[in-house]
Amino acid sequence: QKEVEQNSGPLSVPEGAIASLNCTYSDRGSQSFFWYRQYSGKSPELIMSIYSNGDKEDGRFTAQLNKASQYVSLLIRDSQPSDSATYLCAVTWGNDMRFGAGTRLTVKP
Amino acid sequence: GAVVSQHPSRVICKSGTSVKIECRSLDFQATTMFWYRQFPKKSLMLMATSNEGSKATYEQGVEKDKFLINHASLTLSTLTVTSAHPEDSSFYICSAPRGNEKLFFGSGTQLSVL
Repeated sequence: QKEVEQNSGPLSVPEGAIASLNCTYSDRGSQSFFWYRQYSGKSPELIMSIYSNGDKEDGRFTAQLNKASQYVSLLIRDSQPSDSATYLCAVTWGNDMRFGAGTRLTVKP
Repeated sequence: GAVVSQHPSRVICKSGTSVKIECRSLDFQATTMFWYRQFPKKSLMLMATSNEGSKATYEQGVEKDKFLINHASLTLSTLTVTSAHPEDSSFYICSAPRGNEKLFFGSGTQLSVL
């Protein structure tokens, strides 16, 4: 069974703080891991992709992958109100991509 | 710019009518496209995988006679919601992979059935 789980939140952080979003997945055969950001009424947009264990940094975003623990996270440094959105974790098994339920993040000014 | 185009962005229809949603890959060929639906404050639910030149693969619980998928060319997949009812009102999104891993999403279609 291929499942992707996220804490639905809502997660609220003050502006300038670090937001930490977590995701676990069920199947060790998974290959690729993605974080998408979705604003209300819009389609998801890709923020980060990560394929191997460790950290990957891109600007204020850092993705962390631990395949042994079947865990992937997203850290947002210096959070801004414009980061307020739902963040979707996605995991692929071949051509099959599954999404978590999403975590709603609110960054308060 | 957008690499996957989805139309229409919003449609309102009467109960019992059929609605067609188009998904086009703009600068690449997509032998596979995916169709999702999303209810308010819920995550994307994969409905079906559209395969060019062959039948779509539907997820468990999705009625294939209700949600007709046609992938007649390498750049176009269509989803037709047949005999739509109010419970079909939802946000429908398509996506297509470009290359081995990168997945691009259409802009979504908000369907409201009266």
